[in-house]
Order: sequence, then structure tokens, then C-alpha cells
Amino acid sequence: EVQLVESGGGLVQPGGSLRLSCAASGFTFSSSWMHWVRQAPGKGLVWVSRINSDGTSTSYADSVKGRFTISRDNAKNTLYLQMNSLRAEDTAVYYCAREYSSAWSFDYWGQGTLVTVSS
Amino acid sequence: SYELTQPPSVSVSPGQTASITCSGDKLGDKYACWYQQKPGQSPVLVLYQDTKRPSGIPERFSGSNSGNTATLTISGTQAMDEADYYCQAWDSSTPVFGGGTKLTVL
Repeated sequence: EVQLVESGGGLVQPGGSLRLSCAASGFTFSSSWMHWVRQAPGKGLVWVSRINSDGTSTSYADSVKGRFTISRDNAKNTLYLQMNSLRAEDTAVYYCAREYSSAWSFDYWGQGTLVTVSS
Repeated sequence: SYELTQPPSVSVSPGQTASITCSGDKLGDKYACWYQQKPGQSPVLVLYQDTKRPSGIPERFSGSNSGNTATLTISGTQAMDEADYYCQAWDSSTPVFGGGTKLTVL
């Protein structure tokens, strides 16, 4: 069974940092492109970042570029999102999602972890 | 930047057909997919590559994509289908989501 389990969310002050993790199991993690997608309270889904299967290529939404860093450890089957210089508008549930290879979609999502940026 | 536009809400009576649209420039030239999200839950893929259903998704979910509009159709809508629905496509290797449509079954 495919599982994606996020952790690391919490309350952080503006300007602070947080590192999210996404533990993967039930599939060949090292062959999968992975993404982070966020959802502000009561709002829609917004793509945040993507990393290719071996970690050599990444991309980011303009809103987080230069502040967030996506990475992965294929030996640990874990995806990360390092978030620095956090702002109130970064408050959201953060989901990790697996890209459905060649199907142009996300076939598995984690349960999400809530990040709240507030003083 | 590329945008996908969905109606904020759609209402349907039980047993009837619900249609949710997603509009974007030349969307028909891209693949569209659809996610269902119930309150407090993670999104679930219900259609990909415009018309394909993942394993476990009921046959009452179908889709089309042509011109500037992709459509998710739910035939014989059930109470359990009440949820938010999001379309998604790709623009220059970047995924883009629509704003979401709240489907109410009443």
C-alpha cells in the first residue's frame, strides 16, 4: 500500500524556519518525481515545488523561490521541504504528492501537515 | 501565468447529472485531470489524461476536454459525491490548479 506521511508542521513566527518531511512507503520512491502542494485555510490547492527522481532537478513557484528548498534522501525514502523567511501568507496545510509518471497528474497524496506563521 | 477557471459552486439533485467546467487558454491542447477533496481529507485523483479513471473510481465519473474547456461529469450523483473538485493541467512543466468547485448534492 502506498503511503505518504508528512511531519514537521507547527507554529512559527514570521521570519522563522521550518523543515517538513514526507516519509514514503509502498512504492519505489527513488523512481518517482515528488511535489509539495499547499492549501491555505478555506482556499484552493497551490503547487509549491517539484523534485525529480534523483534529486538533480528542482523547480519552485515564484511565491517561494529563494526561500524554500526541496530535497530528498532516496536511501531513507524521504522528501523534505526546508522553509526559510516564513511569512503569514505561507500559512497552509502542506501536502506531499507523487507525480503519476506519464499521466500528468498526482496519484497519491499525504495527509498533510499544517504550518502556521504567526506572532 | 496560466490560469484555470472553475465555477465556485455547482448544485445537483441526487440521481441527476452534475457537470463541472474548467476553462483555460487552449486547455484542450493539454491533459486535464480532476481531484475530489472532502472536508478534512486529502485530494483524491478521480480523472487523469482528460478521461481516464484510476482504479477504484466509480464509472459515474467521466470527463472531456476540448477547445478551452475541460468538463468533469458525474452521472447519477450520490450524496457521497458532495465535495470540492479541482481541475489541474500543466503549463511549461509546472502544474496549475483551478480554484475549485464546491459540489452540493441536495
